[in-house]
Amino acid sequence: RKEVEQDPGPFNVPEGATVAFNCTYSNSASQSFFWYRQDCRKEPKLLMSVYSSGNEDGRFTAQLNRASQYISLLIRDSKLSDSATYLCVVTAYNTDKLIFGTGTRLQVFP
Amino acid sequence: SAVISQKPSRDICQRGTSLTIQCQVDSQVTMMFWYRQQPGQSLTLIATANQGSEATYESGFVIDKFPISRPNLTFSTLTVSNMSPEDSSIYLCSVDGGFNEQFFGPGTRLTVL
Repeated sequence: RKEVEQDPGPFNVPEGATVAFNCTYSNSASQSFFWYRQDCRKEPKLLMSVYSSGNEDGRFTAQLNRASQYISLLIRDSKLSDSATYLCVVTAYNTDKLIFGTGTRLQVFP
Repeated sequence: SAVISQKPSRDICQRGTSLTIQCQVDSQVTMMFWYRQQPGQSLTLIATANQGSEATYESGFVIDKFPISRPNLTFSTLTVSNMSPEDSSIYLCSVDGGFNEQFFGPGTRLTVL
């Protein structure tokens, strides 16, 4: 079983749609959780950290369910510029090592 | 977040040769990391580079193949030695920005013929 699993997509959605990505992780001792965004032929960029209480940043909402070892990212009112690959990332307990999922590709069309 | 640069941005190399990739940060950082992203894949950690000590390598990566230097708190190099076509990949450095958040350089796209 992969340490971090994501649906690879692609998710093709029209502008204005709401889309949700899910991610599961295998290590129950993982302490930190993130969503990164990677545009084609670019480096990953931190989108948001994910907290136990859930957090929201504009159109983006991230949630963490430790009991189910499950992380989600919700994007509301999708824009063309949201088209990218979204990487689910976790750290193992007591370490700085980041473990990356394979990413979910989003394509927003006009 | 830190500003990170990498050199070269891309290179095409012959098999059997070596390439050294440089990573420069605009501020002092304790931990720097080197990743590989093969075509169509996600990122895989090669090693953690700490200033003043030897790099810590992940399973499947060895110092002879990927020697790393970390001479100060703003700079690191990764060498890909005795290259083969299987080493064709994007190599990225990153720095710890606190709270386990990492920020990445723009990457070095390597093609080995």
